[in-house]
Amino acid sequence: AQTVTQSQPEMSVQEAETVTLSCTYDTSESNYYLFWYKQPPSRQMILVIRQEAYKQQNATENRFSVNFQKAAKSFSLKISDSQLGDTAMYFCAFMKHVGTAGYALNFGKGTSLLVTP
Amino acid sequence: DTGVSQDPRHKITKRGQNVTFRCDPISEHNRLYWYRQTLGQGPEFLTYFQNEAQLEKSRLLSDRFSAERPKGSFSTLEIQRTEQGDSAMYLCASSLAGGGQGSYEQYFGPGTRLTVT
Repeated sequence: AQTVTQSQPEMSVQEAETVTLSCTYDTSESNYYLFWYKQPPSRQMILVIRQEAYKQQNATENRFSVNFQKAAKSFSLKISDSQLGDTAMYFCAFMKHVGTAGYALNFGKGTSLLVTP
Repeated sequence: DTGVSQDPRHKITKRGQNVTFRCDPISEHNRLYWYRQTLGQGPEFLTYFQNEAQLEKSRLLSDRFSAERPKGSFSTLEIQRTEQGDSAMYLCASSLAGGGQGSYEQYFGPGTRLTVT
């Protein structure tokens, strides 16, 4: 079974500071994709960043970057220069195969991030 | 590109009633997914379509649930004889199959929040 574990239910960070959200996963596949999604209080899920497992280089998207450790099956998200608008639930997700040619996302339980002034 | 839309945004129904939700994916996306999210949890995969074909259904999708995508465009999710345990946010997502780095990225709609009383 492929599982995604986010061990931090809640986190808080001050504006302009850096915060790291952790995620571990379990899979027997060698090639896969990992994602971080953000779900603000308005509830629409937004893709933050994506990592292909075959790429050793860590993905970055502006203030968001990941630390991907394939051997350790770890996929943490770093948010630099935190902004009030970063307040949201953050979900780590593993893309799993379903059926013969499909993919679906397997989500962790999420980390609620609060950015304070 | 107007994004993924879902209708209605909120639905309150009495136990035993039938409900139907609609999802309109991003226009060029040929894959469409349904997820269910309960309070405090990450979304859970229910089913997915490639064009009009329903290719995979999760064991979470009991026989009271049915999904269609008649012309490969919009999709409907129907729940018959609703139960209180069906109360959740139902999320729709779409993606573009066919290769390329973007084909694994799923874009989510705002969801339909179902409350069964």
